[in-house]
Amino acid sequence: DVKVTQSSRYLVKRTGEKVFLECVQDMDHENMFWYRQDPGLGLRLIYFSYDVKMKEKGDIPEGYSVSREKKERFSLILESASTNQTSMYLCASSFRDRAYQPQHFGDGTRLSIL
Amino acid sequence: AQSVTQLDSQVPVFEEAPVELRCNYSSSVSVYLFWYVQYPNQGLQLLLKYLSGSTLVKGINGFEAEFNKSQTSFHLRKPSVHISDTAEYFCAVSTNAGNQFYFGTGTSLTVIP
Repeated sequence: DVKVTQSSRYLVKRTGEKVFLECVQDMDHENMFWYRQDPGLGLRLIYFSYDVKMKEKGDIPEGYSVSREKKERFSLILESASTNQTSMYLCASSFRDRAYQPQHFGDGTRLSIL
Repeated sequence: AQSVTQLDSQVPVFEEAPVELRCNYSSSVSVYLFWYVQYPNQGLQLLLKYLSGSTLVKGINGFEAEFNKSQTSFHLRKPSVHISDTAEYFCAVSTNAGNQFYFGTGTSLTVIP
């Protein structure tokens, strides 16, 4: 089975801190995604990557950056955390150019910015 | 970009009653369709998918969905729900035009004892 592992289930940080969320997948997927989930808004794409060192902006990239140094790992970075970034963050992965195959998700990181 | 509409944000239903969760999408090209379920404080799990062929697809936990091309819909159904079906359900669409999935805003299903 595909395993997508997010480093933390719950995280509490302070305003202004630099925050790193880590995601690792074990299925050799080329694509990796970071979503933010808020009540009533569903999943919103922050960034995705289709290859090592490649990244594409999603719908809400402001205030975030990403890093993909290895194929299996995709990091989301909050450069200077703010309270409006309190949310559930979901990582997903999939094969490149196989739209008929599903995305696989991690268990999520519930991030609170105080 | 594609858009996916889940018409009901919350659906309460009594245990052992049938349920239908609605999903409509906008696309002029061929699509692949997915339903995911999210239990509290967990990630999304795949329930079922439609790729081609028979318009009625069966998934896990007794769920099924019907693809209707003319109405651009992919509604999820279960003939008799259980308490354990209480969860958030997401409809998603993908196409061969890119690597992204497009998700609806979700439907919260609450099964009442």
